[in-house]
Parts: sequence; structure tokens; C-alpha cells
Amino acid sequence: EPEVTQTPSHQVTQMGQEVILRCVPISNHLYFYWYRQILGQKVEFLVSFYNNEISEKSEIFDDQFSVERPDGSNFTLKIRSTKLEDSAMYFCASSAHPQLQPQHFGDGTRLSIL
Amino acid sequence: SQELEQSPQSLIVQEGKNLTINCTSSKTLYGLYWYKQKYGEGLIFLMMLQKGGEEKSHEKITAKLDEKKQQSSLHITASQPSHAGIYLCGADWPGGGADGLTFGKGTHLIIQP
Repeated sequence: EPEVTQTPSHQVTQMGQEVILRCVPISNHLYFYWYRQILGQKVEFLVSFYNNEISEKSEIFDDQFSVERPDGSNFTLKIRSTKLEDSAMYFCASSAHPQLQPQHFGDGTRLSIL
Repeated sequence: SQELEQSPQSLIVQEGKNLTINCTSSKTLYGLYWYKQKYGEGLIFLMMLQKGGEEKSHEKITAKLDEKKQQSSLHITASQPSHAGIYLCGADWPGGGADGLTFGKGTHLIIQP
């Protein structure tokens, strides 16, 4: 069964450094999402992406975050200057349609900021 | 802002027993999604409900959405160790485009042998 894949599974970065999290969505899906889950807290929506542009973003998704689809398969989340509070599990998801089809999630990247 | 309340927060059930998890929204939903998360891992899609009164089943898990589309329940029959994990309900509301889902805090399910 097709799945969303994320790399790396764990990323350790010094505070202030840039980090790029990578995702390969399911191949025939057109809608892509990033979520984060701080340890012990809810899964929170960050951003949705369709047709090579951001569709929606939450208050969390400030200027230090950016997303890109650099080629036909990858979808990336960049954090420009990481802070301690960016430590979390980051999940990528994709769907064939935003409200008529479910979102399928990857296994996540655990980001640890030192 | 829209919120989802899940109950109970945690549940310890003896293997073989039935259980129910609830998810409540203060406003009428567009769609309600149930996911399962193993500790430290990704979310596994279980079921999607969109119509008032809808009920879906997969193996020993049944999910229902009430007529008003504000409340959903997830019922597991004859629980097994493989059912252990965190169950999350997620939802979107009318008027959304490609908005992300809002999730509840999750229900931690432990199955005792």
C-alpha cells in the first residue's frame, strides 16, 4: 500500500541553525500538509500546500518556516533559525482531495534542538 | 476557534472486553476522522465519517457520527493487545478549503492481558 515517507527519522540541530525536513507524499496525491506534535501535546496543523503554493497556514507557521516542492516527488519544511521550542515531532501528510479523502501521515521526524 | 474534546483521556481495559471512546465538537463538523498512533510513531488512518448518522466498521472497530454531526464514538469489540495505542479524532469544519485537521488530545488505550 502506498505510504508517505519522511526523512530523517531523527534530526538533532543546534539552536539557531537551519533545518530541512523532507517528505515524499503518496504519488497521486495533490494536497500536502505539515503538522507538529510537541511531546505530550496535541497534533497541531502548520500548513497546507496545493498547486505549488500555500493554501492555508496556522499561527504557528511564522516567517521562520517555509515549505517547498522542489521537484515532482519531494515536499520539504524548512525552519530557518531553530529555537528550543521547535523541538517536536513533525509529521507530513498528503491527500487526494482536501475534504473528500482522508489525509495519510508519515512516521514523522523527531526534531531535537540543543 | 474550533475544538475537539475526547474522552476518556486514558482507558485500561482487560483483553477481550469492549470499549468506547468519544469525540465531541461544539460546532457541526464537515468530516470526522479517526486515527491511531503508536507511541512515538505516525498516525494510522482508521475511518472517515462525513454524513450525519453514518456508521462504519473495520474488523472489530466501529465508528459512528451522530445526526447533528457534532459527536462521534469509536467502539472496539473484544479488545486485543494489538488495539493498544493512542486514538485521535480529527475534524474539519464547513467552509474549509485545504485546511488542516484539528485534533483532539487523544485517548491512551492500554489492554491488560
